Amino acid sequence: AQKITQTQPGMFVQEKEAVTLDCTYDTSDPSYGLFWYKQPSSGEMIFLIYQGSYDQQNATEGRYSLNFQKARKSANLVISASQLGDSAMYFCAMRGYNQGGKLIFGQGTELSVKP
Amino acid sequence: GAGVSQTPSNKVTEKGKYVELRCDPISGHTALYWYRQSLGQGPEFLIYFQGTGAADDSGLPNDRFFAVRPEGSVSTLKIQRTERGDSAVYLCASSLDAGSVYEQYFGPGTRLTVT
Repeated sequence: AQKITQTQPGMFVQEKEAVTLDCTYDTSDPSYGLFWYKQPSSGEMIFLIYQGSYDQQNATEGRYSLNFQKARKSANLVISASQLGDSAMYFCAMRGYNQGGKLIFGQGTELSVKP
Repeated sequence: GAGVSQTPSNKVTEKGKYVELRCDPISGHTALYWYRQSLGQGPEFLIYFQGTGAADDSGLPNDRFFAVRPEGSVSTLKIQRTERGDSAVYLCASSLDAGSVYEQYFGPGTRLTVT
């Protein structure tokens, strides 16, 4: 079975500072993909970043980077230079290569950026 | 181009009634997914289609839920004999293919309230 765990229900960060959102996962699939999505109060899920389990380097997309530690089964999201517009729910998700297309999501972390 | 669209955006129905929720994926995307998001939770997988066929319907909670995608584009999620526990936001997503490297693009969701 696959499982995603996000242990931080809520996080606060000062504007312009960096913040790390934690994500651990469990899977028996030898190959898998890890995703982070942002969900603002409007409700739409916005794709942020993807990491493949065999990727040698950690993924980066602008101010977002994924700290992937395969042995620890963790895929933490790092947001640098936080902005007020980063305030939202953040979901970690995974998809096993042998599980077809479905995403398994964590419970989410609510990030609040303070001015 | 246009993103994933879902109609209606809100649906209020009485317990026991039948409802249909529609999803229009991004043009050219062969894979389509349905998720359900309860308040304070991450999205929960329901079913996904590759083309016209349901490739994995393991997330449908019971036989009151059914989904179709007859022409490989628009999909309809159908719920019979609705119950109050069905109240949630129903999210639709599409991707170029069901392969793991392809990100899923989400629609704005349909908020279903069963009274």
